Amino acid sequence: DVKVTQSSRYLVKRTGEKVFLECVQDMDHENMFWYRQDPGLGLRLIYFSYDVKMKEKGDIPEGYSVSREKKERFSLILESASTNQTSMYLCASRLVIGSYNEQFFGPGTRLTVL
Amino acid sequence: AQSVTQPDIHITVSEGASLELRCNYSYGATPYLFWYVQSPGQGLQLLLKYFSGDTLVQGIKGFEAEFKRSQSSFNLRKPSVHWSDAAEYFCAVVPPSGGSYIPTFGRGTSLIVHP
Repeated sequence: DVKVTQSSRYLVKRTGEKVFLECVQDMDHENMFWYRQDPGLGLRLIYFSYDVKMKEKGDIPEGYSVSREKKERFSLILESASTNQTSMYLCASRLVIGSYNEQFFGPGTRLTVL
Repeated sequence: AQSVTQPDIHITVSEGASLELRCNYSYGATPYLFWYVQSPGQGLQLLLKYFSGDTLVQGIKGFEAEFKRSQSSFNLRKPSVHWSDAAEYFCAVVPPSGGSYIPTFGRGTSLIVHP
């Protein structure tokens, strides 16, 4: 079974802090995703990486950056956290680009910015 | 641009009753279709997916979904709901060709199960 792990389940940070959210998958998947989940808004894509060092902006990249130096690890960075970035963050991986491949999700990190 | 609509934000059913969750999509060609479930405090898990062929698709946990091209719908069904089915359900579509095959998710339907 594919396993996607996220570094923290709950995180509390202060406004202006630099925040790192880490995601690791153990099945050699090429694609990795970062989503933000808010009540009533569903999942919104922040960034997508289709391979090591490759990335694409999603629907809401403002205020975020990402890093993918190794295939198994995809990091989401909040350069200067703000209260409107309080949310649930979900990481996902997918084998390769292709419509028929489903995504595998981590358990999520609930981030609170005070 | 493609879009996915889940018209029901919340659905409440009694345990043992049947269930249907609606999903409609807007896209030029028939996309690839997925249903995911998110239990409280968990990530999303794939229930089932449809690409082509038989329009009735069987999934895990006793769920099934029917693709109807004429209605641009992919509704999820279960004949008898269990209390453990209480969760959030997401429909997702992926274009059949081109680009990065980025999934578009509906906003989700929250299922409440009464004993």
